[in-house]
This record gives sequence, structure tokens and C-alpha cells, in this order.
Amino acid sequence: GDSVTQMEGPVTLSEEAFLTINCTYTATGYPSLFWYVQYPGEGLQLLLKATKADDKGSNKGFEATYRKETTSFHLEKGSVQVSDSAVYFCALILLSGGYNKLIFGAGTRLAVHP
Amino acid sequence: EAGVTQFPSHSVIEKGQTVTLRCDPISGHDNLYWYRRVMGKEIKFLLHFVKESKQDESGMPNNRFLAERTGGTYSTLKVQPAELEDSGVYFCASSLLESGLPLHFGNGTRLTVT
Repeated sequence: GDSVTQMEGPVTLSEEAFLTINCTYTATGYPSLFWYVQYPGEGLQLLLKATKADDKGSNKGFEATYRKETTSFHLEKGSVQVSDSAVYFCALILLSGGYNKLIFGAGTRLAVHP
Repeated sequence: EAGVTQFPSHSVIEKGQTVTLRCDPISGHDNLYWYRRVMGKEIKFLLHFVKESKQDESGMPNNRFLAERTGGTYSTLKVQPAELEDSGVYFCASSLLESGLPLHFGNGTRLTVT
């Protein structure tokens, strides 16, 4: 069935380091892809999205490119900050019964220290 | 506008007890979703309401879980009797009927069954 696989965490980085969080998916059809973020004590927030192949989603310095050939949507940031410490979830949207259903990965915890 | 609100934020109960979680969606959002994240695992879909009707409840784990959305406003998710494996974070999300996206998530309810 449809699923999302993320790299296991936690990922621990120093401030200003380069970040990559891998995400691959399995889906029938042509899903839209998302990254959600959960900061400590808060709910899930949409970070970025891409709806078709080769689209690049970007927000707050984060980027991810929809790669259909490798079924991937890796999250990257050139220089992380302490405030980026959070749990990141990769997700795809599935059309089910005429309505959208989000399928999430397991989440990757990022810890950035000064 | 007020976001999606969930009550309580934390709940600790003993095995065999009953717990009721509540979700207040954004006003005017006809789509309401429940998701659950068991520790370290993916966020799993539980069910989807369109107004007061259950559109999809394929993710409900078993008949110990009962979700309601009387009047198409707030929703409750009751677990009776609770088991240890029910521990996790329960998220609620809502969206407009027409677009379906984006989903706005609440902060979640952390349920611990001891």
C-alpha cells in the first residue's frame, strides 16, 4: 500500500551545519508531497509542499525537490539554527473516496546545539 | 482566527479506565480528522468526518474506540476500556470542505495508559 519512509533519528547537528533528512515514498498514482514540522509543545505545521515531479518546495530556508524517478522528497537546509530543533514528518496525500487523506512517515527528530 | 484546539493536552489513566478526548476544529471547517502517533512510529490516520458524518473510519484500531461529531462542530474520541497500547499522541485536524487542504492541526493530546 501507500507509505512513507524517513530516515531514523535523532539527528544531532551543530548550529550552521548542513541538514538532510531523507524521505522516500511508495504510492499508486501521482501524490502530492509534504513536509510537516512539530516544534516542542506545538501542533503539526505545514513546512513545504510539492505537487508534481521536479517541483521544489521551500520555506524558512528549507527545501525539498519532488523526484519521481527515485520516489524521494529529501528535506535540506544549508545552515540550521537552534530554533530548527523539532520533529519533521514527511507525508503524501492520497485521494480516497473523493477526499484527501494524509499518509505520514515516522518522523525524524532534529536537535541543533549551539 | 482561533486554531484547532484539543482537550486535554495530557491524560494519564489506568488500564481499563475510560478517557474522552475532545477536538474543536476551526469554525466553518467541515472536514475533521483524527490521527494517532504511537511513540516513535508514524502518525496514523484514524478517521475522517465530513460535517457530522463519518466519511472514512478505516483507521480505527478496534471497537474500544468511538468517535462522534454531533451537530458537525466539535468531535470527541472515547477509548473504553483503555489498554496499554493505546498510549500515544492523538492529533485532530480540520480543513475546508471544498479545498480539503491545507489541514490545520491541533497541538495533540498525549495519552498515557499505565
